[in-house]
Amino acid sequence: SQTIHQWPATLVQPVGSPLSLECTVEGTSNPNLYWYRQAAGRGLQLLFYSVGIGQISSEVPQNLSASRPQDRQFILSSKKLLLSDSGFYLCAWSAVAGVWGEQFFGPGTRLTVL
Amino acid sequence: SQQGEEDPQALSIQEGENATMNCSYKTSINNLQWYRQNSGRGLVHLILIRSNEREKHSGRLRVTLDTSKKSSSLLITASRAADTASYFCATQNTPLVFGKGTRLSVIA
Repeated sequence: SQTIHQWPATLVQPVGSPLSLECTVEGTSNPNLYWYRQAAGRGLQLLFYSVGIGQISSEVPQNLSASRPQDRQFILSSKKLLLSDSGFYLCAWSAVAGVWGEQFFGPGTRLTVL
Repeated sequence: SQQGEEDPQALSIQEGENATMNCSYKTSINNLQWYRQNSGRGLVHLILIRSNEREKHSGRLRVTLDTSKKSSSLLITASRAADTASYFCATQNTPLVFGKGTRLSVIA
């Protein structure tokens, strides 16, 4: 069966520090991968999605970046965090390339920038 | 990209009552999906309805889709306290875009 992992589960970082959040998927090949951010009491904002290794689409211009160094690994990074980067970050995958079907979400990372 | 908008933003009901949430969207879609999120957790897929379907059932869930009105509804029958969560619709074009959700509270 497929599983998706995210770490860390929680993170407290000072403004201006770097960020690296990691997401890995097991039990499937060539998944579509997604990063979302959810601010407190708000909906999900799609940040990045990837249909293959090295292929990243950005939905919202910001100080974040994403990389997909391996088929089932998706990394969210920042060189310098802002206060506004605080939120709940969710990684997700879907199995159907080209037809954007059911997504499976990881447990999330709670990021607090102080 | 387009966004589904859920209505109401918050809903509080007694256990055993039915809960109805609505979703509206702006452009044509291939399918529409409903997800559930427990507090502080990831989202869980509930049901997918295709653009050529009008109604779909899954257990206590009933979803309708009216493409002429660009709207969908999620009905949870005989609600339970464990149904307390946020519910999101996601319109499928390329890629999924989620609304802000309806926060459902079921009081025992």
